[in-house]
Amino acid sequence: KAGVTQTPRYLIKTRGQQVTLSCSPISGHRSVSWYQQTPGQGLQFLFEYFSETQRNKGNFPGRFSGRQFSNSRSEMNVSTLELGDSALYLCASSADRDRGLVSGGSYEQYFGPGTRLTVT
Amino acid sequence: AQSVAQPEDQVNVAEGNPLTVKCTYSVSGNPYLFWYVQYPNRGLQFLLKYITGDNLVKGSYGFEAEFNKSQTSFHLKKPSALVSDSALYFCAVFDSGTYKYIFGTGTRLKVLA
Repeated sequence: KAGVTQTPRYLIKTRGQQVTLSCSPISGHRSVSWYQQTPGQGLQFLFEYFSETQRNKGNFPGRFSGRQFSNSRSEMNVSTLELGDSALYLCASSADRDRGLVSGGSYEQYFGPGTRLTVT
Repeated sequence: AQSVAQPEDQVNVAEGNPLTVKCTYSVSGNPYLFWYVQYPNRGLQFLLKYITGDNLVKGSYGFEAEFNKSQTSFHLKKPSALVSDSALYFCAVFDSGTYKYIFGTGTRLKVLA
């Protein structure tokens, strides 16, 4: 199976601009999560999408948004970019986990290579 | 609140020696624990997980981890380190209350030839 793909791999934007990042999960995976990775803060959870619905979100301002399409591909948008938004943005997909925690659910996540965003 | 701690920012080990990367956790229910590895300019790769069952879990590339409930630890181990094991290692716990994954701050492993 092909792995998780993210495009673009690198981006340079100016403060105040907006950016859209794309993620294609592993075939058959319906859950897509986004993370921000910075040297100072480590991995911070942004949000998770499942079946085109945001199922969970972290503590990021409303400038960060996302969506998921019917083919499970997901996009993340950041509006009004700030210097502090410079980071590696990682997308992760996982097979549907059983919220009832019945055995057979898959909990591990599979990560894409990330998009390195630099805001100047 | 659930949390994960990786007490060492960096671990240095000589090639061929055993390695241990430490992780402790705090959860209110049953722990669902993971180890991931990140190579430069790459995303995280899943190494192994503990959901239930045997306390010793075996994973990719010869790595294993031991779940210790009394010490709330999930240390990553390998009997003989390779230079190619040099990377950033993350421990994570799945919070069954919030359905979020919580990652440790990462430990940089450096294997010296």
